[in-house]
Amino acid sequence: EVQLVESGGGLGQPGGSLRLSCGASGFTFSSYSMSWVRQAPGKGLQWVTYISSRSRTIYYADSVKGRFTISRDNAKNSLYLQMNSLRAEDTAVYYCVRDGDVMATGPDALDIWGQGTTVTVSS
Amino acid sequence: DIQMTQSPSTLSASVGDRVTITCRASQSISIWLAWYQQKPGKAPKLLIYKASSLQSGVPSRFSGSGSGTEFTLTISSLQPDDFATYYCQQYNSYSTFGQGTKVEIK
Repeated sequence: EVQLVESGGGLGQPGGSLRLSCGASGFTFSSYSMSWVRQAPGKGLQWVTYISSRSRTIYYADSVKGRFTISRDNAKNSLYLQMNSLRAEDTAVYYCVRDGDVMATGPDALDIWGQGTTVTVSS
Repeated sequence: DIQMTQSPSTLSASVGDRVTITCRASQSISIWLAWYQQKPGKAPKLLIYKASSLQSGVPSRFSGSGSGTEFTLTISSLQPDDFATYYCQQYNSYSTFGQGTKVEIK
């Protein structure tokens, strides 16, 4: 079964850090680009960041640029999101998602989603 | 940045109705548009990619059309399982989602 499982969410302090992880199974992780998408409580979806299959290309939304870092370890079938300088507006469910087209050279339609992990930023 | 605007924000419909949701891009995105369905407490599900391609396993009552800046998602005959929130996403330049359209029971 194709699956993405996030972990690492929880309560973070304003100005603090959290690291999210995502484990992939059921497909060749190293062939696919990956992204993180978040959803604030009661709000819509917001794309956060993208990483290509070999980590050569990385993009960030302006709202997290300079604060968040996406990375991956293809040997461990894992995706990560290092979140620094946390703000209240980073409070959201964070989804690990697979970009669907292995031939795409940038963000793509997102065909596999994890169940999400909740990040709450509050003092 | 490319902005995506969906209309309407809320749609009230009955089982069996034909439903159309519109998504407009602030600049041309060719056919690089996807549609998702999300139910409360669940992750979104991909329905349509490349504006009109049906994702595997998605019922044929869902269809997408459009190119450039104007796109539509159509549900030909609304079923009880279709009451949900729908989002469009452009992936021509980075990625941006529309604000969502909630389809509720009339």
